[in-house]
Amino acid sequence: DAGVTQSPTHLIKTRGQHVTLRCSPISGHKSVSWYQQVLGQGPQFIFQYYEKEERGRGNFPDRFSARQFPNYSSEPNVNALLLGDSALYLCASSLSLGGRENQPQHFGDGTRLSIL
Amino acid sequence: GESVGLHLPTLSVQEGDNSIINCAYSNSASDYFIWYKQESGKGPQFIIDIRSNMDKRQGQRVTVLLNKTVKHLSLQIAATQPGDSAVYFCAERGGKLIFGQGTELSVKP
Repeated sequence: DAGVTQSPTHLIKTRGQHVTLRCSPISGHKSVSWYQQVLGQGPQFIFQYYEKEERGRGNFPDRFSARQFPNYSSEPNVNALLLGDSALYLCASSLSLGGRENQPQHFGDGTRLSIL
Repeated sequence: GESVGLHLPTLSVQEGDNSIINCAYSNSASDYFIWYKQESGKGPQFIIDIRSNMDKRQGQRVTVLLNKTVKHLSLQIAATQPGDSAVYFCAERGGKLIFGQGTELSVKP
């Protein structure tokens, strides 16, 4: 069975540009969350999407946005890129939103974004 | 200026020994905890989870212990193997998933 798939694996952009990343969740998973991981740190929660709506957001500016499609895949966008946006961007999927039905999130291998 | 990555806590063990990785969490309302393993160039891989109504859970070669009184979580790996070398993260969920800093496990053959 295919796990969480992300594309591209690596991306190089310059300051001020925008970027779109892509994620396909595990088949049957309806929730997709995005995380930013800088070198030497744990992943930081950006936002979570469930049934095509944003259901939670971390401490990230409005430059970060995303969409979730009817097939539950997701594409985040980051506008006006800054040097500090250089990081590994991880997508994680789970069966449901969480809450009382706690289920683990399963991660893809990420997109390595470098800003020059 | 140039930024430098943080130095992760490290644990070095001999192949075949048991490993214990510790984690402290901050949110007393967290009701679900997960351990992830992250190898170089890969995303975090689910190892084991535990709900707050439990204090111990066992998997294959791994055991997670939860002490809610002192807000402490530990991961025990039995008979550590070279393939266990990775960075290990604990994560708590009291809403969104919050990751700890991580511990780098190095296994000496």
